[in-house]
Amino acid sequence: DIQMTQSPSSLSASVGDRITITCQASHNINNYLNWYQQKPGKGPKLLIYEASNLETGVPSRFSGRGSGTDFTFTISSLQPEDVATYYCQHYDHLPYTFGQGSKLEIK
Amino acid sequence: EVQLLESGGGLGQPGGSLRLSCAASGVTFSSYAMSWVRQAPGKGLEWVSAISGNGGTTYYADSVKGRFTISRDNSKNTLYLQLNGLRAEDTAIYFCAKDPIAVAYGAFDMWGQGTMVTVSS
Repeated sequence: DIQMTQSPSSLSASVGDRITITCQASHNINNYLNWYQQKPGKGPKLLIYEASNLETGVPSRFSGRGSGTDFTFTISSLQPEDVATYYCQHYDHLPYTFGQGSKLEIK
Repeated sequence: EVQLLESGGGLGQPGGSLRLSCAASGVTFSSYAMSWVRQAPGKGLEWVSAISGNGGTTYYADSVKGRFTISRDNSKNTLYLQLNGLRAEDTAIYFCAKDPIAVAYGAFDMWGQGTMVTVSS
């Protein structure tokens, strides 16, 4: 199975800050990489698919990039409603696997 | 509006069984593959099982193969997960998740709120 290593596991930033989360796959996943946002008590929400494509309706302050094994997720200007845990997930082949999550808090 | 609503969770005994359901609305259910994904308390996400739109193809994680069975009834817009041989490590919130196409793809564009399964004697 492909291992997804996500960092940092937690971060704290101020409103308006730019934040970046990284995700590394143990093998080439051909850009089949999603980013999800999960708020407490809710199911995850798809933000980015195929490494860099913004899901319909998702604000443009969210972005993703990368290829092969190394990927990044960025929020360009942090908003209070962005407090959540963020997960990367590969879907190159089954079984799909997720990163361990990055918990984002506001300072 | 697309909605997924899970039910059927609860307390199960080690070695026992539970059946989870996921009712879909606002979508042509048979057009989309579906998956179950679980989350142990305070932990990350683990993909469990997937099924194609017509129900003809199923997939399982090694951790549940031979114990869990995924199925769907497209006439009722409902996805199921039969959990047999329950173990303590199956304790988790179980989410159903929708794929954007009829074959298992893995870009889950809609998730339910989840149903909690607790395995304990």
